[in-house]
Amino acid sequence: GAVVSQHPSRVICKSGTSVKIECRSLDFQATTMFWYRQFPKQSLMLMATSNEGSKATYEQGVEKDKFLINHASLTLSTLTVTSAHPEDSSFYICSAEALQGVYGYTFGSGTRLTVV
Amino acid sequence: GEDVEQSLFLSVREGDSSVINCTYTDSSSTYLYWYKQEPGAGLQLLTYIFSNMDMKQDQRLTVLLNKKDKHLSLRIADTQTGDSAIYFCAEVGGSQGNLIFGKGTKLSVKP
Repeated sequence: GAVVSQHPSRVICKSGTSVKIECRSLDFQATTMFWYRQFPKQSLMLMATSNEGSKATYEQGVEKDKFLINHASLTLSTLTVTSAHPEDSSFYICSAEALQGVYGYTFGSGTRLTVV
Repeated sequence: GEDVEQSLFLSVREGDSSVINCTYTDSSSTYLYWYKQEPGAGLQLLTYIFSNMDMKQDQRLTVLLNKKDKHLSLRIADTQTGDSAIYFCAEVGGSQGNLIFGKGTKLSVKP
């Protein structure tokens, strides 16, 4: 079945630094990738949608200059949290959508970001 | 806008059946999904149902869909301690074709 690899699984960084999270589709091509954020005991909220070769579409309230998304190929999307602050600490999960079929909504294992 | 609602907690005894309920708002959703999330982990697709189906069974899992009432349920037969997790109901409804999730139901299975 479709597999999405996301790493790192955990990262601790100092306030003010940047962190890059990678999301790869391993056995299928992902035309669209979604980045979600999950606050403790809450559901997943869509942050942005990235399409290969074009600019990401950000949801209202998500700072595009803070959460940089790059979708350079059909198998890789990256989310960079720039100038991280403690309030950016959260669980980030990517989801990749395949060209066809219900495998579109395959999720990575998530990244726990802690900013100290 | 689209909204997905589900109860937050469910506690059952090992061996019993668990039923997790969900209501959604977007009647045009083609697929509805159930995901499982274990602590600190990503989401695992458990099952999905196409909107023209009323029921889908997959081993211990049974999904029931009532399109008229926009109600979806997940039944887990013979619930085991390993089934303890948070279960998310989701529909395809976002402006970007993304999933809209409920807040998740935390299933606790007691021995």
